[in-house]
Amino acid sequence: KAGVTQTPRYLIKTRGQQVTLSCSPISGHRSVSWYQQTPGQGLQFLFEYFSETQRNKGNFPGRFSGRQFSNSRSEMNVSTLELGDSALYLCASSFTGGQNEQFFGPGTRLTVL
Amino acid sequence: AQTVTQSQPEMSVQEAETVTLSCTYDTSESDYYLFWYKQPPSRQMILVIRQEAYKQQNATENRFSVNFQKAAKSFSLKISDSQLGDAAMYFCAYRIPSGAGSYQLTFGKGTKLSVIP
Repeated sequence: KAGVTQTPRYLIKTRGQQVTLSCSPISGHRSVSWYQQTPGQGLQFLFEYFSETQRNKGNFPGRFSGRQFSNSRSEMNVSTLELGDSALYLCASSFTGGQNEQFFGPGTRLTVL
Repeated sequence: AQTVTQSQPEMSVQEAETVTLSCTYDTSESDYYLFWYKQPPSRQMILVIRQEAYKQQNATENRFSVNFQKAAKSFSLKISDSQLGDAAMYFCAYRIPSGAGSYQLTFGKGTKLSVIP
């Protein structure tokens, strides 16, 4: 099976712009979680989607949003980018979430200038 | 607040030697899982080992083993016969139920392990 894929791998944006990141889970996986990784804050949970519904959300402002499609692919969107949004954004998929193991993608490196 | 603490930002070990990475956590939940993840430079995060909190027996995966002290909320990772490929960031994490069937991972800040040839 192919692993979790994320596109694009690298992005450079300027302050005030918006960005959309994509995550394709492992075939058959229905749960997708997103994480933000920064040197200062470490890995922080953004949100989880399961069967096209957001069922958990971390402590991030409303500028961060996401969605999941019927094929389980997920996108996250960040509007009105700030310098502090520069980070590695990781997605992880699992069969149903819950106690199933999460498999991580390679991440999208976002740089905000 | 529910937290995971890795007190060693960096560690080094000689090839073929043994190293132990420490982790403490704080949660009021009784139903949780503990994990060690490995993130090599510029590569994907992978699961090294997991431990169910209700199990007393320490988990082992080949050269990797844990010392799980539930009362002390301690979860250390021991790497035996260290290899150059073990060089990476190691993250300790726990997963607790967050409602609606969701379980949320909380990570420590990580320990950067270097392996010296």
